[in-house]
Amino acid sequence: QSVLTQPPSVSGAPGQRVTISCTGDRSNIGAGYDVHWYQQLPGTAPKLLIYGSSSRPSGVPDRFSGSKSDTSASLAITGLQPEDEADYYCQSYDSSLIWVFGGGTKVTVL
Amino acid sequence: QVQLQQSGPGLVKPSETLSLTCTVSGGSISGYYWTWIRQPPGKGLEWIGYIYYSETTKYNPSLKSRVTISVDTSRYQFSLKVKSVTAADTAVYYCARGWGYSYGYDYWGQGTLVTVSS
Repeated sequence: QSVLTQPPSVSGAPGQRVTISCTGDRSNIGAGYDVHWYQQLPGTAPKLLIYGSSSRPSGVPDRFSGSKSDTSASLAITGLQPEDEADYYCQSYDSSLIWVFGGGTKVTVL
Repeated sequence: QVQLQQSGPGLVKPSETLSLTCTVSGGSISGYYWTWIRQPPGKGLEWIGYIYYSETTKYNPSLKSRVTISVDTSRYQFSLKVKSVTAADTAVYYCARGWGYSYGYDYWGQGTLVTVSS
């Protein structure tokens, strides 16, 4: 049972827009802590996709975007590409003094 | 370009101590949260803990009594020890570099699959 809740899977056709939700509570996202998103391709280490809830590191395509509101956050992928098929994880800080992750969401490109 | 290179055994016997090292190259070892994260096979990510400025450590309460993270700044290395391991500690272990609450983990090691088995 993860502290942050994500849907197990989402899917979309190439070119479509998909969103992944990340729901926390008032001890983490709702306490004002930023949310970070990672993309994990099969057999590889996670890669930072979004930091500070909505900022992209250099080199990340602008079709990836993040937002945060109250106790939840979202990752949107617009213009879905075959290479976007991966697992995605959200992360935030919790007032219990630990970093917490969501359970992960598998994105399938149909 | 910052790189994190992990080293350590991939097989540990039950009740023994798991030891991994992460070597940092291409950047400073000061001023960052050097972190260990693990991922059991087929499951999600679990934060283990970090060390900051050689002195400050923070661990996941679920593992706190068994975990030690240390740093050797002269060698640009930081290490993880997990004692009294069981099969539940079988996972891919990652080292990573963090900046703080608002920045996430920007560089990761390649991952080491550690299997606990006799």
